[in-house]
Amino acid sequence: DTAVSQTPKYLVTQMGNDKSIKCEQNLGHDTMYWYKQDSKKFLKIMFSYNNKELIINETVPNRFSPKSPDKAHLNLHINSLELGDSAVYFCASSQRGGVNEQFFGPGTRLTVL
Amino acid sequence: KNQVEQSPQSLIILEGKNCTLQCNYTVSPFSNLRWYKQDTGRGPVSLTIMTFSENTKSNGRYTATLDADTKQSSLHITASQLSDSASYICVVSPMDSNYQLIWGAGTKLIIKP
Repeated sequence: DTAVSQTPKYLVTQMGNDKSIKCEQNLGHDTMYWYKQDSKKFLKIMFSYNNKELIINETVPNRFSPKSPDKAHLNLHINSLELGDSAVYFCASSQRGGVNEQFFGPGTRLTVL
Repeated sequence: KNQVEQSPQSLIILEGKNCTLQCNYTVSPFSNLRWYKQDTGRGPVSLTIMTFSENTKSNGRYTATLDADTKQSSLHITASQLSDSASYICVVSPMDSNYQLIWGAGTKLIIKP
């Protein structure tokens, strides 16, 4: 009965590789998000999709490309991984709008060697 | 610039004691202010959401207060338990953005037996 799930939980890879992180929510929410939490623990929003439409696209390298095949899924593909991409990536979902509570996934810890 | 600052950065208290965490923000106008709890290795979980017109909201042993005039919020934890050990993050939603949230860096709370 997991609400927001992410796979994989851990990802260790070499610089220059391409990797994907998958996210699924079974809450029936309209909006999904990707956040990056770095070593200083700040959560920074990267992308937000509402009903498969891109709403927020913060200043993120274009090596990061989100894809939303349907409103229950928001995947994150990262090309040409760099050392600075090492962080924990969280997926979240909410009913439409920032006034509504966001529910977070367990996170994916990405380590780039 | 929209900012959310929290204090203290970290706090250690004995089990059973009360504590209060502080949040100062410059986001104006804002639609709501939230407190999240983030356990180590997990995604944030919402504790309270207060609109700009609310002064207080409780969730069990957690009570959040909001003073929109001074742009301050606090989270009071009563009769702390070992399971309260976590980071507590203050988050503000700007009025002019339906999806964007401004995150604080969090207060790391450790409860000792």
